[in-house]
Amino acid sequence: SQTIHQWPATLVQPVGSPLSLECTVEGTSNPNLYWYRQAAGRGLQLLFYSVGIGQISSEVPQNLSASRPQDRQFILSSKKLLLSDSGFYLCAWSGSSPDTQYFGPGTRLTVL
Amino acid sequence: AQSVSQHNHHVILSEAASLELGCNYSYGGTVNLFWYVQYPGQHLQLLLKYFSGDPLVKGIKGFEAEFIKSKFSFNLRKPSVQWSDTAEYFCAVFSGTYKYIFGTGTRLKVLA
Repeated sequence: SQTIHQWPATLVQPVGSPLSLECTVEGTSNPNLYWYRQAAGRGLQLLFYSVGIGQISSEVPQNLSASRPQDRQFILSSKKLLLSDSGFYLCAWSGSSPDTQYFGPGTRLTVL
Repeated sequence: AQSVSQHNHHVILSEAASLELGCNYSYGGTVNLFWYVQYPGQHLQLLLKYFSGDPLVKGIKGFEAEFIKSKFSFNLRKPSVQWSDTAEYFCAVFSGTYKYIFGTGTRLKVLA
């Protein structure tokens, strides 16, 4: 069966520091991968999605970037964190049809 | 812009009470509709989904939802809640691109 992992589970970082969140999927090949963020009091918002290695689409202009160095690995990064980057980050995957997505456990990021 | 509204942010019920969580969306085209649930300490998981056909959809754990196209609504219901239903519930719309649009979520607390 397919499983999705995210780490770390929680992270506290100072403003201006870099960020790297990792997501890996097991038990499937060539998944579509997604990064979502939930800021306080707001719904989950799609940040990036990827349909293949090296292919990244950005949904919202921001201080973050994403990379997909391997088929089942998706990384969310920032060179310099802002206070507004605080939130709950979720990675998800789907098959070739993106209409049903499966979510990881999430990372709670607090930027101080 | 497409949006999803969940009217109840916090709901507290006693066991055996009936539950209805509201969800309205704004999108004029064909949509796929979802309810996701996140139990404490667990992944966001799919509760039920509507793509087409019978507008009354049954999901896991006794939940159901009704799609009313004229009202742009997809309300979640359960006749008798249990303590184990304590969780956060998210309504989402998939609009045919890669993007889910989520509501802000409803935190349900069921008192034993």
